[in-house]
Amino acid sequence: ETGVTQSPTHLIKTRGQQVTLRCSSQSGHNTVSWYQQALGQGPQFIFQYYREEENGRGNFPPRFSGLQFPNYSSELNVNALELDDSALYLCASSFGTSGERDYEQYFGPGTRLTVT
Amino acid sequence: QKEVEQDPGPLSVPEGAIVSLNCTYSNSAFQYFMWYRQYSRKGPELLMYTYSSGNKEDGRFTAQVDKSSKYISLFIRDSQPSDSATYLCAMSDGNFGNEKLTFGTGTRLTIIP
Repeated sequence: ETGVTQSPTHLIKTRGQQVTLRCSSQSGHNTVSWYQQALGQGPQFIFQYYREEENGRGNFPPRFSGLQFPNYSSELNVNALELDDSALYLCASSFGTSGERDYEQYFGPGTRLTVT
Repeated sequence: QKEVEQDPGPLSVPEGAIVSLNCTYSNSAFQYFMWYRQYSRKGPELLMYTYSSGNKEDGRFTAQVDKSSKYISLFIRDSQPSDSATYLCAMSDGNFGNEKLTFGTGTRLTIIP
């Protein structure tokens, strides 16, 4: 069973640019969630996708958008980057069926984004 | 006020000691409670998962949930230097269709050999 993978590991962008981060879910998982973790803070929920549809969204502006593909890989896109977007971006996958196992989310290693 | 409060530490204990980590929360709708361990510059790793109130044990780890007090704990017995990490509590309200996790800020733990 493969784990959750993310790419790239690190990324440096300039304010105003756009960025795409990628995630490959754990085998058999059809739900993916994205989180933003600022330094010294816990992860903050951005949004979740279930079977390629957005399934819930946290308190993040529309310039944060996502996609989930049939092969359970997904993307997080951020437009018009701001300095405060500098953070570790984590994706997490889960089984996505009704029942307790939905809440067992397995995280990837993250992409560290620096906006200058 | 944050929905989930967690003492950020840092917490340092000698090897072999029992460690107690805690979180409080304000949202009475939370039903699912998790503890994650995060090593520096890595993603969180799921340690324990509990539904509703009660205790759950897994090896050296014990998770406790007291919904009446809105208080959860993680105990680590016979602590090892490899347990040095940041421990994050997380919880969810069980609203199927949006399995959003709400995290605490994390407690940074160091086990001193």
